[in-house]
Amino acid sequence: EPEVTQTPSHQVTQMGQEVILRCVPISNHLYFYWYRQILGQKVEFLVSFYNNEISEKSEIFDDQFSVERPDGSNFTLKIRSTKLEDSAMYFCASILTGHNEQFFGPGTRLTVL
Amino acid sequence: DQQVKQNSPSLSVQEGRISILNCDYTNSMFDYFLWYKKYPAEGPTFLISISSIKDKNEDGRFTVFLNKSAKHLSLHIVPSQPGDSAVYFCAANRKAGTALIFGKGTTLSVSS
Repeated sequence: EPEVTQTPSHQVTQMGQEVILRCVPISNHLYFYWYRQILGQKVEFLVSFYNNEISEKSEIFDDQFSVERPDGSNFTLKIRSTKLEDSAMYFCASILTGHNEQFFGPGTRLTVL
Repeated sequence: DQQVKQNSPSLSVQEGRISILNCDYTNSMFDYFLWYKKYPAEGPTFLISISSIKDKNEDGRFTVFLNKSAKHLSLHIVPSQPGDSAVYFCAANRKAGTALIFGKGTTLSVSS
């Protein structure tokens, strides 16, 4: 069964460094999302992406964040200058056009020291 | 601002019995409601959904009920199995494909 994959599974970085989290959505899905879950808190929406542009973003998704679909398969989330409070699980998701069920990847645990 | 609330952090049920997980919402603009299950170290897995024009949707052992006037939905799992032990998230969105707003989750433990 097709699934969303994410790399790396765990990323440790120093505060102020840039990180890029990678996702490979399900191949025929055209809508992509990033969510995060800080330990002990709820899953929070960051951004959605369709047709090579951001379609929706939350207040969390400030100028430190950016997304890109660099090729036909990858979808990336970049955090330019990480802060301690960026430590969280980051989940990528995708959906098939015309559907509403978002399929999530296993997540990347980001630890900012 | 908690638009989606799951007021029970945990629920314990015996194998074979019914599990009922509850969710309340405040935003009357929500049109779709989804339930996800999450195991540790994995991403949320879609279980079942319902649109606001329906009051019930069933898929095997899982049934979701929606009471729009009370802004309340529930997930029924019958019969419960030990493999159902996980965190269950209620989520909602205004329009298909838009951002999902999640509740905090309810940890279900099914004992054999």
